[in-house]
Amino acid sequence: AQSVTQLDSHVSVSEGTPVLLRCNYSSSYSPSLFWYVQHPNKGLQLLLKYTSAATLVKGINGFEAEFKKSETSFHLTKPSAHMSDAAEYFCVVTESYNTDKLIFGTGTRLQVFP
Amino acid sequence: NAGVTQTPKFRILKIGQSMTLQCTQDMNHNYMYWYRQDPGMGLKLIYYSVGAGITDKGEVPNGYNVSRSTTEDFPLRLELAAPSQTSVYFCASSYSKGGTYEQYFGPGTRLTVT
Repeated sequence: AQSVTQLDSHVSVSEGTPVLLRCNYSSSYSPSLFWYVQHPNKGLQLLLKYTSAATLVKGINGFEAEFKKSETSFHLTKPSAHMSDAAEYFCVVTESYNTDKLIFGTGTRLQVFP
Repeated sequence: NAGVTQTPKFRILKIGQSMTLQCTQDMNHNYMYWYRQDPGMGLKLIYYSVGAGITDKGEVPNGYNVSRSTTEDFPLRLELAAPSQTSVYFCASSYSKGGTYEQYFGPGTRLTVT
């Protein structure tokens, strides 16, 4: 069965420093992978998605993620954190090939200090 | 264009009461989903629909019912509320299969059952 593991439940960074949110996946096929962001008391918003095209995926707000099949990882990065990046981030994988069901990780809460 | 709207935003229910969570989307999406988010957990799929008149169970359907009489609306019914149903509920929609197309989320309904 497909699954995602977000390796950190909380990450704290200072404004202007790099962000790294880690995600490993388990899949018996070539999956589609996503990062969603949830700001406090808001719904989820898609940051970026990987669907077997380029392995380096660029998303909104300066975020990007690299699909590494050999390491089964899909880590989210940003060169310089902004206060507005403080939120909950979810790594998501499709349940199976060509499906409409998603499997969510447990989330990583990103804190950004001034 | 309001996207996905949910009502109510908050609700407190007593054990055994029933209620309907409303979800409406104005993007003419065929696919709609109901998720619940428990503290410290990722989202879990309750029910989904691939079009008007068609619904199917997700990972955690027990205690819930849905209907889809129109493309726009996808209400979630809780019968005989239990404390285990205390959660935040999110409705989402997508143009087609969620693995290929982005899912758009509503702002959520925070439900407490006491």
